[in-house]
Amino acid sequence: DTGVSQNPRHKITKRGQNVTFRCDPISEHNRLYWYRQTLGQGPEFLTYFQNEAQLEKSRLLSDRFSAERPKGSFSTLEIQRTEQGDSAMYLCASSSTGGETQYFGPGTRLLVL
Amino acid sequence: EDQVTQSPEALRLQEGESSSLNCSYTVSGLRGLFWYRQDPGKGPEFLFTLYSAGEEKEKERLKATLTKKESFLHITAPKPEDSATYLCAVQAGNNDMRFGAGTRLTVKP
Repeated sequence: DTGVSQNPRHKITKRGQNVTFRCDPISEHNRLYWYRQTLGQGPEFLTYFQNEAQLEKSRLLSDRFSAERPKGSFSTLEIQRTEQGDSAMYLCASSSTGGETQYFGPGTRLLVL
Repeated sequence: EDQVTQSPEALRLQEGESSSLNCSYTVSGLRGLFWYRQDPGKGPEFLFTLYSAGEEKEKERLKATLTKKESFLHITAPKPEDSATYLCAVQAGNNDMRFGAGTRLTVKP
């Protein structure tokens, strides 16, 4: 399968714990995006990488959130001191340089108790 | 600020009953308008990209059209397997996409 992959697919955690999600983009894509989606809403942009450089961050990305893409391949999204309001589906997408179309992974569903 | 509004929120059709979904947008410098299909618990699946007013694209029972202010997703003779949420998104001068809330389509056999 050469699509975008995300792990884990599901995560249940207690409030105050830290969680980390991983995204592996389509291999030839050098752009990678993170989105958050809550029930009944469309995805909301969080952040964007071109290769290893983080070029854009949404104001939704509070200081408890950090994303990395250390070698320009896979990316991680960490949430520190989770809150119940962080419960959502976290989606990763990738695209090629000059290609506007973004291809999404299956998402990681987070539930904070 | 870029805005995307989809209507209706939900649509129930009988199998074979054709209809259209609407996506109205306000954006400065449209780079692309995108349609995705999303099944429950899964990530959005890419359908179409439209770049300029007057453009049309088709795939099986789906046809997407674009004007300067809105896009339509026409579904011809839908089948139960077309049941899903259909998302519209726009991309402007930056690289992120702004999504609408989606239209939940249910096709009854």
